[in-house]
Amino acid sequence: GAVVSQHPSRVICKSGTSVKIECRSLDFQATTMFWYRQFPKKSLMLMATSNEGSKATYEQGVEKDKFLINHASLTLSTLTVTSAHPEDSSFYICSAHAGREANEQFFGPGTRLTVL
Amino acid sequence: GQNIDQPTEMTATEGAIVQINCTYQTSGFNGLFWYQQHAGEAPTFLSYNVLDGLEEKGRFSSFLSRSKGYSYLLLKELQMKDSASYLCAVMDSNYQLIWGAGTKLIIKP
Repeated sequence: GAVVSQHPSRVICKSGTSVKIECRSLDFQATTMFWYRQFPKKSLMLMATSNEGSKATYEQGVEKDKFLINHASLTLSTLTVTSAHPEDSSFYICSAHAGREANEQFFGPGTRLTVL
Repeated sequence: GQNIDQPTEMTATEGAIVQINCTYQTSGFNGLFWYQQHAGEAPTFLSYNVLDGLEEKGRFSSFLSRSKGYSYLLLKELQMKDSASYLCAVMDSNYQLIWGAGTKLIIKP
């Protein structure tokens, strides 16, 4: 199957700093990438939908100035958590949609963010 | 509104069979997915149903009834490594996944 990578897998930062998370589709071109956030024992919460070459579409309640998304190419999307605070600590997961008939999303391994 | 319901937790015995149910109400339907998620890891794809009926893949099978808004995931010959959360997700008319809260499956020896 298709492979999606995320980097870093784990990051610990101080409050007030910004953190960038990369999501790459390694062996296919992703027309659309999705960013999810997951709290412990909770389901995935869609944060935004990212289309290559255009602005991301944010879900209600997600601050676009707080969570900056850039989809610079068909294989790379980045999520930057700006001025991170402890409440931003979470598991962030990206997924990529190849636009193929199977309508399957391929998930990255996730990034564990801890803000001190 | 859109809603996906599945049990919060289930317990089963190693070697047995377990069925995890999922009911949904969504705006449009473009398929139903089951994912497995171990603690601290991203979900991994298990199955995709878009037509009514049963899809079998090894020890795992998934069933869909679109008229009833119902699906189940059937796990046979349970192994300890099957202990995980199982997430039901429906792709709506906008091709976005609507997620259930997940069912935590506990396997006992």
